[in-house]
Amino acid sequence: AQSVTQPDIHITVSEGASLELRCNYSYGATPYLFWYVQSPGQGLQLLLKYFSGDTLVQGIKGFEAEFKRSQSSFNLRKPSVHWSDAAEYFCAVGANSGYALNFGKGTSLLVTP
Amino acid sequence: IAGITQAPTSQILAAGRRMTLRCTQDMRHNAMYWYRQDLGLGLRLIHYSNTAGTTGKGEVPDGYSVSRANTDDFPLTLASAVPSQTSVYFCASSESGGSNEQFFGPGTRLTVL
Repeated sequence: AQSVTQPDIHITVSEGASLELRCNYSYGATPYLFWYVQSPGQGLQLLLKYFSGDTLVQGIKGFEAEFKRSQSSFNLRKPSVHWSDAAEYFCAVGANSGYALNFGKGTSLLVTP
Repeated sequence: IAGITQAPTSQILAAGRRMTLRCTQDMRHNAMYWYRQDLGLGLRLIHYSNTAGTTGKGEVPDGYSVSRANTDDFPLTLASAVPSQTSVYFCASSESGGSNEQFFGPGTRLTVL
């Protein structure tokens, strides 16, 4: 079954520093991959998605992610983090149950001054 | 306002009681989903519906039931609530097809005592 692993439970970065959140997937074919962000007490918002084509995808809020088939990875990056980026980040892959998604367990991002 | 609404926002429920969480979308999406979010476990799929009149079981369906009488509504029912069903519940919808973005509601925080 398709699955994703987010190795880092918590990450702390300084404001203005670069960010990379890791995501590894398990899937037989080319997966549909997503990154979502959840601010405290809120629902999930889509940051970006990969289906096919260019392996570097751009998203909202200055985020980007790169699909690397050889490494089974879909890491999320941002060149310069803002305090408002503090949130929970979820990587997801298309699931077998209808059109649902399998989510990773999330990475909590803390941004320090 | 386009999107997904969920009700109630939060609820405290005695064990053994019946509870229905409501979800309504106005985007005319064919597919709808229910997830539960628990600390350290990410989001797990409870039930899904690919189109009105059909439903399917997700990863953690036990103790929950759903119905999809029309396109817009997808209620989730706990027939006899247990404390392990204490969680935050998210409803989501998407156009048909695994490549499509899922839109999430704001969530319902349920506490079963």
